[in-house]
Amino acid sequence: EDQVTQSPEALRLQEGESSSLNCSYTVSGLRGLFWYRQDPGKGPEFLFTLYSAGEEKEKERLKATLTKKESFLHITAPKPEDSATYLCAVQAMDSSYKLIFGSGTRLLVRP
Amino acid sequence: DAGVTQSPTHLIKTRGQQVTLRCSPISGHKSVSWYQQVLGQGPQFIFQYYEKEERGRGNFPDRFSARQFPNYSSELNVNALLLGDSALYLCASSRDRQDTQYFGPGTRLTVL
Repeated sequence: EDQVTQSPEALRLQEGESSSLNCSYTVSGLRGLFWYRQDPGKGPEFLFTLYSAGEEKEKERLKATLTKKESFLHITAPKPEDSATYLCAVQAMDSSYKLIFGSGTRLLVRP
Repeated sequence: DAGVTQSPTHLIKTRGQQVTLRCSPISGHKSVSWYQQVLGQGPQFIFQYYEKEERGRGNFPDRFSARQFPNYSSELNVNALLLGDSALYLCASSRDRQDTQYFGPGTRLTVL
């Protein structure tokens, strides 16, 4: 069964304290891995798509990496406005094209 | 360009009632997917529509149905509402089925 597990469930950082979020996945053929940011009560906001092991993408203080079993979202020198829930999702190489999400990591960055 | 729009923003219903949620995709996007997000969990796939046809269905009961119109907008219908249907319902659009999905702001449904 295709599955996505994110850790930690919650993370508290001081402003400027870099860290990484983990997304482990089991899928019968990976079409793509997606990272989204979600603010409370709002829809997920697209961040990155990764397609193959070794691929990396960067945007401002965020960098996403992919291996054959997991993905990391590295946050460098975070600011309070980076506080949000970060969701990881996989799309399998089947006919459904659905996204399978993890439960997310709630990030709180304190000033 | 405008993003994905959903209406209404919030909705309160009682058990047994029926509800219709609406979604307008990003201009040029032909695929619409619906997800249910319960508090504290990630979104769960309900349906995908492409070119007005159902192309995928998640593990949800037959009380859930949807359709897509010629202008690619979509409606999600839920009959015989249960307390457990209370959730944030998200619509996502993509240019084609395999492309990146962009989400709308969601409709918060509360069933009393």
